[in-house]
Amino acid sequence: ILNVEQSPQSLHVQEGDSTNFTCSFPSSNFYALHWYRWETAKSPEALFVMTLNGDEKKKGRISATLNTKEGYSYLYIKGSQPEDSATYLCAFTGNQFYFGTGTSLTVIP
Amino acid sequence: DAGVTQSPTHLIKTRGQHVTLRCSPISGHKSVSWYQQVLGQGPQFIFQYYEKEERGRGNFPDRFSARQFPNYSSELNVNALLLGDSALYLCASSRTSEPYGYTFGSGTRLTVV
Repeated sequence: ILNVEQSPQSLHVQEGDSTNFTCSFPSSNFYALHWYRWETAKSPEALFVMTLNGDEKKKGRISATLNTKEGYSYLYIKGSQPEDSATYLCAFTGNQFYFGTGTSLTVIP
Repeated sequence: DAGVTQSPTHLIKTRGQHVTLRCSPISGHKSVSWYQQVLGQGPQFIFQYYEKEERGRGNFPDRFSARQFPNYSSELNVNALLLGDSALYLCASSRTSEPYGYTFGSGTRLTVV
């Protein structure tokens, strides 16, 4: 069983704060790393797919970096807003998706 | 375009019963994958079907089975339900058999009592 770990498990930040989370994955047999944003009672929404070591992706106030050699990815949120409150999941792709347990973010107005 | 649709959204079953969960992929998507998410854990891979053939199976007992129909919709069946089968069951579709470009449904919440 392949281990994908996310930290922290949960996070509470004030509106306007910037924050970041970590996804750790095996550095061998890497195909892609996905980030999803998952609001309660909704479908997980794809944020980023990263395939190359050193990849950096950005979508508005959210960005992500990838280090396949050491097996980690960071997700950054700049100037957090209450609507950013959600669970952020990463998934390592080999022959299937291996999900982490997620980081639950709560942004306090 | 409609997204991935799953039915029912919520379900309560008794131990020992059988359940069927349904998933309709996005139009043009030929691959459907099923995931189980137990509270406090990340989604765990159950099955992938592509062009009506099983392409992958996770570490789940034989009580779990699935199939894909000619219109690419899919059913997940679970026999002899256990309390531990209580979970959110997610379906994801994609165009190809590669684990890439997944679109997820909003899930079926199964509660076994």
